[in-house]
Amino acid sequence: ILNVEQSPQSLHVQEGDSTNFTCSFPSSNFYALHWYRWETAKSPEALFVMTLNGDEKKKGRISATLNTKEGYSYLYIKGSQPEDSATYLCALPGGATNKLIFGTGTLLAVQP
Amino acid sequence: NAGVTQTPKFQVLKTGQSMTLQCAQDMNHNSMYWYRQDPGMGLRLIYYSASEGTTDKGEVPNGYNVSRLNKREFSLRLESAAPSQTSVYFCASSETQRTEAFFGQGTRLTVV
Repeated sequence: ILNVEQSPQSLHVQEGDSTNFTCSFPSSNFYALHWYRWETAKSPEALFVMTLNGDEKKKGRISATLNTKEGYSYLYIKGSQPEDSATYLCALPGGATNKLIFGTGTLLAVQP
Repeated sequence: NAGVTQTPKFQVLKTGQSMTLQCAQDMNHNSMYWYRQDPGMGLRLIYYSASEGTTDKGEVPNGYNVSRLNKREFSLRLESAAPSQTSVYFCASSETQRTEAFFGQGTRLTVV
C-alpha cells in the first residue's frame, strides 16, 4: 500500500498568518496527487488534482505546488481566515489498480 | 444534483449483527470507494471498485465485504459487527484517478 505522509499533524495560527503544509510520497510510479479540504462534520471536498511535475494550482488564497521527482507537494494558504480552519488531506492513486490512498491530514486551526 | 448518496446516516448495531451500507452516485463515475474515518487516522480505504463487477481490497478490508451491483451502486456489508468497526464511513466516487473524488455525507456507525 502506498505510503502518503503529511506534516505537520496540526497547526495553530493567528488570523492573517500565511501557512503551508507538506505531503510526501514515493517518487516512483507517480500518477496524480489530490488535495482535499475537510471541515468538521462535513464531507471532504476537492481543492486540486495535479498530474505534472512543476504543476502549480491556485484557488483564491490557497495554492499548491508539485515536485514529482523528489516526491512532495506543498499547500499554501495566504492570509489565513477562521473559515480556513479544517483538516487538509492529500491523496494519491497507488497499487496495481490505482486505488486512492489518503494521508492522515494536517489539522489547521485559525484563531481570530 | 444528488451526487453521492449514502444510507443510512446513523446506525447503532449490537455486536454480531449484520448490516449493509448503501451508496449510489449519479455522475456516471467508474471508480467507487469505501473509507472509514477514525480519530488521528485520516481516511483509510476499505474497498475500491474500478468498474462494475470489479472490487479490490484497500488498507483495512478485514470484516467487510462489498458488492458493485451496477455502475451506480457500491454497497458495504458488515457480516458480524464488532466494536472495532465503530467509525464514520464515507463512500466516494470519481471518473478516473486523475479527477477529483466526490464524497457522500457519511454514515456514523456505533457497534455496542
